[in-house]
Amino acid sequence: DTEVTQTPKHLVMGMTNKKSLKCEQHMGHRAMYWYKQKAKKPPELMFVYSYEKLSINESVPSRFSPECPNSSLLNLHLHALQPEDSALYLCASSRGLQGIGSPLHFGNGTRLTVT
Amino acid sequence: DAKTTQPTSMDCAEGRAANLPCNHSTISGNEYVYWYRQIHSQGPQYIIHGLKNNETNEMASLIITEDRKSSTLILPHATLRDTAVYYCIVRVGRNSGGYQKVTFGIGTKLQVIP
Repeated sequence: DTEVTQTPKHLVMGMTNKKSLKCEQHMGHRAMYWYKQKAKKPPELMFVYSYEKLSINESVPSRFSPECPNSSLLNLHLHALQPEDSALYLCASSRGLQGIGSPLHFGNGTRLTVT
Repeated sequence: DAKTTQPTSMDCAEGRAANLPCNHSTISGNEYVYWYRQIHSQGPQYIIHGLKNNETNEMASLIITEDRKSSTLILPHATLRDTAVYYCIVRVGRNSGGYQKVTFGIGTKLQVIP
């Protein structure tokens, strides 16, 4: 079990669909992250939110749209994806300004398949 | 952040100590060494981190050389459940914006053998 909860665990979507991935944490962490992981590769950073503001966008295509409605929730809205976007999408959180050296806590991810 | 070099894969007999090396010869004085692992089909899991002193917790020990150019993660009694990819990451404690930009390398695939 992890303290970062991601839903759904699995998602299959067509290229014309709109779907959303959800991430939730109740540890009081103020930084939240989205990573993408292809098979047999390390996780790649996509977005970072700090204190509900987007701090990093690693040149991610606009078909991925992040949203941080409050300090506990992080969403990733998906629209017009391509089959090559199929991957494991990981959410993480960390303590923020008061936590120097504090590690990232990861969820177990959403496995996305785009058909 | 400083680059790290790890062996691609290692084997360890069950019950023996697993010693995973990491080279970080360009580490700066304010950079920490972090270790994470990723068990198949799960998210990465934080293991331990340190700055210059050796560290130990319930999962592992971290030995950092005096010149801080390399470190070793030690799992004292490896079990089959320790089979995973282990990532060594070197970075500043936090960015000024209150977040940590953690970049994963290839890592070491540790196989614990019965």
